[in-house]
Order: sequence, then structure tokens, then C-alpha cells
Amino acid sequence: RKEVEQDPGPFNVPEGATVAFNCTYSNSASQSFFWYRQDCRKEPKLLMSVYSSGNEDGRFTAQLNRASQYISLLIRDSKLSDSATYLCVVNSNSGGYQKVTFGIGTKLQVIP
Amino acid sequence: DTAVSQTPKYLVTQMGNDKSIKCEQNLGHDTMYWYKQDSKKFLKIMFSYNNKELIINETVPNRFSPKSPDKAHLNLHINSLELGDSAVYFCASSQDRSKSSYEQYFGPGTRLTVT
Repeated sequence: RKEVEQDPGPFNVPEGATVAFNCTYSNSASQSFFWYRQDCRKEPKLLMSVYSSGNEDGRFTAQLNRASQYISLLIRDSKLSDSATYLCVVNSNSGGYQKVTFGIGTKLQVIP
Repeated sequence: DTAVSQTPKYLVTQMGNDKSIKCEQNLGHDTMYWYKQDSKKFLKIMFSYNNKELIINETVPNRFSPKSPDKAHLNLHINSLELGDSAVYFCASSQDRSKSSYEQYFGPGTRLTVT
């Protein structure tokens, strides 16, 4: 089993739709969780951290389910500019340093 | 005011050559990383340095040698380049090696093509 698993997609959705991505992780000792966004031919950038109680930033909602070891990202009212690859990132503290594991990413294409 | 910068942005070279990629961060971060993103877009960590000390060395051929002259710089030297080395290489930094809650800041990437 991969350490961090995501459906690579692509997810093709019309503008205005709501779309959700899930990500599962295998290390139950994982401590921090993030969603990064990567545009085509660009570097990954932090979209949002994922907190235990769930958190929202505008149209984006992230949730964490530690019992089932998955995190989710919900995008409401999709915009064309949301088209990108969304990377799930799981951090753990291993031997005193931060171990960072990226998922393969889920590609989202928002269609006019 | 670029936070993490890499040079060059594009690198085209022939098999067997030796090349270097440079990375600098002006964020005052302690930890820097090199990642490789292959044609399937999978982002995989190669190395991590904390205050010039190597702390992560994933299974990477020893043709790849990172060097950190100071905590703001982490360079990657590649010997005897092979076709399979073609990829985008990202440098990144984060604040503290021991805090798993800190985000990483990525450089713009170096697109390496080996012919």
C-alpha cells in the first residue's frame, strides 16, 4: 500500500459544481496534513492545512478523519481558475525530522 | 523578493555530462529539500538538509550529490547524466526540521532534459 494514495483523475466538472477529493494515508502516526495546488508547469503551493476539527477557507473545506486515515478537500462553486492538480501531503515526525510524503495528485479540470 | 530561487530554469544536456542546479532561499529557513517530479508527475523527495547537515537521503543513485555551503543554499550536482534523469527538479525549504506542521515553500523548478 502506498503511503499516500489519491485518485489521479482527471475530474472534469462544469463551472459552479461542487467537487470533492479524498486522500488516504497509511501511517497512523502521521501528524500534519496539507493540500497543495500545482498548476501546469509550476511549482506546488500550499492551498490549506488540514486541522483535526476541519477547516474552511472561502469555497474550500478540508476535513481529516484520523480513524479512517483519510483527508478530504471540498471545492464549492468551482471556477475555471480552480483547474489544477491537487496534492495531498502528509507529514510525520521521524527521528527528529519532518518526513514529508506527497500523493500523486488529483487533476481537476473545470469546464465552461 | 523571490523566496526560493533555482537556476537554471531549463537545462538540456547530453548523456554522460555532469551538471549542477543551484538553489537559494531568503526565508531564513533551516531545512531545505530536493524533489524530483517525473513524467508521471509524481513528486518524490531526494534529499533534505538541516543547517547544512544531511538528514534525509532517499534511495537515489550516488551520481546525485547535494551540497549545502550554508543554510540558505542547497545545490545539486549530477554526474554522468542518464536519459532517466530527465525530470523537473524542485528545491524547497521549511522552517524547522522537527516541526511537522510547517509548510514547504517550493522553487520554480528546473526542467532537465537529457538527450
